[in-house]
Amino acid sequence: GAVVSQHPSRVICKSGTSVKIECRSLDFQATTMFWYRQFPKKSLMLMATSNEGSKATYEQGVEKDKFLINHASLTLSTLTVTSAHPEDSSFYICSAIKPGQTKETQYFGPGTRLLVL
Amino acid sequence: GQNIDQPTEMTATEGAIVQINCTYQTSGFNGLFWYQQHAGEAPTFLSYNVLDGLEEKGRFSSFLSRSKGYSYLLLKELQMKDSASYLCAVRDRWTADSWGKFQFGAGTQVVVTP
Repeated sequence: GAVVSQHPSRVICKSGTSVKIECRSLDFQATTMFWYRQFPKKSLMLMATSNEGSKATYEQGVEKDKFLINHASLTLSTLTVTSAHPEDSSFYICSAIKPGQTKETQYFGPGTRLLVL
Repeated sequence: GQNIDQPTEMTATEGAIVQINCTYQTSGFNGLFWYQQHAGEAPTFLSYNVLDGLEEKGRFSSFLSRSKGYSYLLLKELQMKDSASYLCAVRDRWTADSWGKFQFGAGTQVVVTP
């Protein structure tokens, strides 16, 4: 299989602070990782595609300056929510593509639940 | 882009069969995926179709018709633990802009009753 970890699993922060979420592929190298956001009882909304060694590709409507993505190595991508506000409270999930497989599915991290007070 | 439709909720009894339909309209296609997601958890991969036909994997089967833009996930011998949301996702072709991203349907909540 393929294991993707995410840290932290839960975070509570004050409005105006920044929060960094890490996504790691533990047993494979991932050139591409995706960041999703999910509201309660809703589906996953793709925020951005994170590519190792290059700038992230953001989906329409997602603020690049607010959601900073850095794919520093083949096993680590980070999402930083800058100047967080209560409306940023959500479930953030990363996924990584394991290359070289016939069916290139994405493997999801366990998610990070962010609550901004 | 993609437009992906699936029913919001389905209810079935333990031991029964449930079929979850998914229709999509696509500008590029590189596979259709089904994921299971329990409340508060991340999705887990169930099945993948890229060619027309049926893929069987234990109690779960998935079917694809590319000409009709249609897929279904079949869950047999339902168990209580199968109560979850089932997400249909279509993957884009790789392009300089797309990087083979996934677009998800809204999910179908399956409720299994005793």
